[in-house]
Amino acid sequence: DTAVSQTPKYLVTQMGNDKSIKCEQNLGHDTMYWYKQDSKKFLKIMFSYNNKELIINETVPNRFSPKSPDKAHLNLHINSLELGDSAVYFCASSHGRTGGHNEQFFGPGTRLTVL
Amino acid sequence: GQSLEQPSEVTAVEGAIVQINCTYQTSGFYGLSWYQQHDGGAPTFLSYNGLDGLEETGRFSSFLSRSDSYGYLLLQELQMKDSASYFCAVRGMNTGFQKLVFGTGTRLLVSP
Repeated sequence: DTAVSQTPKYLVTQMGNDKSIKCEQNLGHDTMYWYKQDSKKFLKIMFSYNNKELIINETVPNRFSPKSPDKAHLNLHINSLELGDSAVYFCASSHGRTGGHNEQFFGPGTRLTVL
Repeated sequence: GQSLEQPSEVTAVEGAIVQINCTYQTSGFYGLSWYQQHDGGAPTFLSYNGLDGLEETGRFSSFLSRSDSYGYLLLQELQMKDSASYFCAVRGMNTGFQKLVFGTGTRLLVSP
């Protein structure tokens, strides 16, 4: 059973289009994340939700809008796609304990290519 | 802010020992984590140091020295399958709930 799953795995689209990526976790975690990994493999957090509440919102263009319908799902919608949005997007989840270590479990990634 | 620097690439041969360093600038964090990522794959958790010192997990060990703002991942008895990228990461106490900041990443190439 896949712990954190994302769809689609690959997404190729034209500039200006709107697209969504879906993420689901079956680990019982209460916190979920979206990361962007660029061509240099730099991994940077974009958003995080805890119990469906947005708790981390990095400096991301407002064309990116996350939505968490429940604790097990976190989707990412991107409007007016630009060339610079091409990257691999990873969803992750963890427990949301305030102190100590919370291992993050990553999904397989969605490779977005904007033409 | 926080920044974590790692060497961009390290090469070694099978059976050898390799150390991947992570130097950081951050004011207060819960601990230092290490993640492994194979090409085309997802990052997976390897190790965590909440306290200073050495943590050992099989062939992998990780070390943290808060006074030196420094940590490392030690891989022993290298195998070809260890060829991957390795990232250190910290969760800061003052940078937002559950925010994990990743290092620049080190690509490890293991040759026969």
